Amino acid sequence: KNEVEQSPQNLTAQEGEFITINCSYSVGISALHWLQQHPGGGIVSLFMLSSGKKKHGRLIATINIQEKHSSLHITASHPRDSAVYICAVSFPGGGADGLTFGKGTHLIIQP
Amino acid sequence: DAGITQSPRHKVTETGTPVTLRCHQTENHRYMYWYRQDPGHGLRLIHYSYGVKDTDKGEVSDGYSVSRSKTEDFLLTLESATSSQTSVYFCAISGTPNTEAFFGQGTRLTVV
Repeated sequence: KNEVEQSPQNLTAQEGEFITINCSYSVGISALHWLQQHPGGGIVSLFMLSSGKKKHGRLIATINIQEKHSSLHITASHPRDSAVYICAVSFPGGGADGLTFGKGTHLIIQP
Repeated sequence: DAGITQSPRHKVTETGTPVTLRCHQTENHRYMYWYRQDPGHGLRLIHYSYGVKDTDKGEVSDGYSVSRSKTEDFLLTLESATSSQTSVYFCAISGTPNTEAFFGQGTRLTVV
């Protein structure tokens, strides 16, 4: 079964701390997505990557294809970063049948 | 922001009644997806579409049907709603399977 595991499930940190959220998957993928969901809100795509590293503002996403692992980093965290962060993957063969999702990491940044 | 709208945003319905949720996009994307989100399970695929009148089942399709008669609209129907279908439903679109996906705001459905 193609599985996506995230860790930690819950994370509480103080404002300004460096945050790391991890995602691992069991089989080869064609792309990995990091998504953000605020409480009661919709889902927003942060990154899509298939190799290397991407950066947008204070967010950095990395992926190691050989180790089947990705990390999402938040530098200088802020209370507005409080949200659920979801890792999702698409598999080779077209991936027309959608994404497979992790269960999410619930992040709380305290002032 | 990608043009994707779900309706209704909230609905309460009784067990046994049919319910239709609508996903409307203005991006002309070929691929459309319906997911449900439940505590402890994350998002799971219900049905997807890869073109007008082209649809297929996902992981949790039992009790659901879909239709896509136009590129912009993807309808999800609960033929006879059950309490186990109480969930938050998300529609997503993408231009190709391995490009960025865009999500609607979600529909919170409660079956009583």
